[in-house]
Amino acid sequence: GAVVSQHPSWVICKSGTSVKIECRSLDFQATTMFWYRQFPKQSLMLMATSNEGSKATYEQGVEKDKFLINHASLTLSTLTVTSAHPEDSSFYICSARMGRQGTDTQYFGPGTRLTVL
Amino acid sequence: SQQGEEDPQALSIQEGENATMNCSYKTSINNLQWYRQNSGRGLVHLILIRSNEREKHSGRLRVTLDTSKKSSSLLITASRAADTASYFCATVHGNNRLAFGKGNQVVVIP
Repeated sequence: GAVVSQHPSWVICKSGTSVKIECRSLDFQATTMFWYRQFPKQSLMLMATSNEGSKATYEQGVEKDKFLINHASLTLSTLTVTSAHPEDSSFYICSARMGRQGTDTQYFGPGTRLTVL
Repeated sequence: SQQGEEDPQALSIQEGENATMNCSYKTSINNLQWYRQNSGRGLVHLILIRSNEREKHSGRLRVTLDTSKKSSSLLITASRAADTASYFCATVHGNNRLAFGKGNQVVVIP
């Protein structure tokens, strides 16, 4: 089956620093990747949709200058949390989809736990 | 607003019993999907049911969809300890994005 990896799996950083999270589709080309965040015991909230070669589309309330997304290739998308603060601590999950249709399955990465001190 | 809202329940059952969880949504959908998430991990896609389907089976999973009531149910038969996880439904809308519900935490006691 399709495999999506994330790196790192967890990261602890100081307040004010920037953190980059990578999302890779290992055995397929992903035209679209999605970034979600999840707080403890809560659901996934879509942050942004990333299409290869174009700018990401951010959900309402998500600061695009705070959460920089780059989908430079069909197998890699990165999320950079800039000037991280403790309230940015969360579980960040990416997913990748081969096609552009809503019926196409999204394959999820294992998630990255970010802790900002 | 969040679509695909499950009844907020934490379900604790004995191994071998069936587990049923529900999901309701508010607007029209293209399809509805169920996912499983083990603690602190990513999501695993379980099953997709299209808006013109009423029931679908996959192994020990049975999903129903009632578009008139805007609801879906997931049944896990003969549960196992390994089924302990959170289960989310997600709906796909015209914008081709997934909207997740709150999730049901299921604990299967060996």
